[in-house]
Amino acid sequence: DVKVTQSSRYLVKRTGEKVFLECVQDMDHENMFWYRQDPGLGLRLIYFSYDVKMKEKGDIPEGYSVSREKKERFSLILESASTNQTSMYLCASSWSGRARLYEQYFGPGTRLTVT
Amino acid sequence: DQQVKQNSPSLSVQEGRISILNCDYTNSMFDYFLWYKKYPAEGPTFLISISSIKDKNEDGRFTVFLNKSAKHLSLHIVPSQPGDSAVYFCAATKGGGTSYGKLTFGQGTILTVHP
Repeated sequence: DVKVTQSSRYLVKRTGEKVFLECVQDMDHENMFWYRQDPGLGLRLIYFSYDVKMKEKGDIPEGYSVSREKKERFSLILESASTNQTSMYLCASSWSGRARLYEQYFGPGTRLTVT
Repeated sequence: DQQVKQNSPSLSVQEGRISILNCDYTNSMFDYFLWYKKYPAEGPTFLISISSIKDKNEDGRFTVFLNKSAKHLSLHIVPSQPGDSAVYFCAATKGGGTSYGKLTFGQGTILTVHP
């Protein structure tokens, strides 16, 4: 079974703090993704990575950065947390083979509250 | 600019009846479509998908229909069961190597199946 784990289920941070969200997958997936989920807006892509040290901006990258130093690990960084970054953060991963490219496997999510 | 839209925030259905969830898209470059199911406090899980070369794909109780001319897809669940109660997300992607499996999600529809 594919497993995607996220470092915390719940996190409370103060405005201005630097926040790290970690994601680890155990299936040797090439692609990894970070989304945020907000009511009425669905899942929106923040950043993704298709290889170690490679990253691409998604639809809402402002205020975020990412790091992928190892294939299995993809980190999302909030450089200076703000209240509008309060959200559910979901990590996902997928293979790069053509037949299976599109199916993404998700972690359980991190509920981040910025006060 | 919401390229994938699920215009019904919620749907309530009696157990044993059919559930029909709808999704519209605007980007004619999308050529692969997926449905995900999400329970509270869990990450989304892949349910069923369809390529643009098909107009129907069936997997047990779940069938996805694609109408390319209308840029519309729907998910049918027959018969509906209380365990199907969840949030359903529609997603779409463009093919090709440079997409890296990036998905664009809709806002989600909350399905409630009453016993």
